[in-house]
Amino acid sequence: ETGVTQSPTHLIKTRGQQVTLRCSSQSGHNTVSWYQQALGQGPQFIFQYYREEENGRGNFPPRFSGLQFPNYSSELNVNALELDDSALYLCASSFKSGAYNEQFFGPGTRLTVL
Amino acid sequence: GIQVEQSPPDLILQEGANSTLRCNFSDSVNNLQWFHQNPWGQLINLFYIPSGTKQNGRLSATTVATERYSLLYISSSQTTDSGVYFCAVGANTNAGKSTFGDGTTLTVKP
Repeated sequence: ETGVTQSPTHLIKTRGQQVTLRCSSQSGHNTVSWYQQALGQGPQFIFQYYREEENGRGNFPPRFSGLQFPNYSSELNVNALELDDSALYLCASSFKSGAYNEQFFGPGTRLTVL
Repeated sequence: GIQVEQSPPDLILQEGANSTLRCNFSDSVNNLQWFHQNPWGQLINLFYIPSGTKQNGRLSATTVATERYSLLYISSSQTTDSGVYFCAVGANTNAGKSTFGDGTTLTVKP
């Protein structure tokens, strides 16, 4: 069974650029969630995709957008990058069924904005 | 939204000691997980425990949902237990959102 994978592992961008981060969910899972973790803080929920539809969004501006594909992999896109977007971006996959939603995390993508 | 408070923020132990980490949450939840974040940033699943008690080796966890708290117990701690421990909660009323606490940073000294 393949776990959650993310690419790339590290990325350096400059202010104003756009970035796309990718996540492959664990086999059999139907839900992907994205989180931003700044240094020294807990992960902050960005949004969740369930069966290709956005299913909840945290307090992030519209320049953070996402997609989930039919194979349940996902992309996180961030436009007009700002210095504060520098963080570890974590993807979690789960098999959401009723109240059950145990999440499994990928290794993360570390984004640096200069 | 749901507020999650973890305590203590920092904990330093000698190898072999026991410890208890606490997670308080402000509203009813359907999901609660404990994670250990390693130095490379990977979140390792410890327990999925919206209620009740579970044990896995030297680790155990208890969630008392009616009183809105969860406890993580680490017995006979080892240096490899060092890292940050997070509690994350979710509720169906929150449409998929999981809220993390700020974590407890555990340092186990040899």
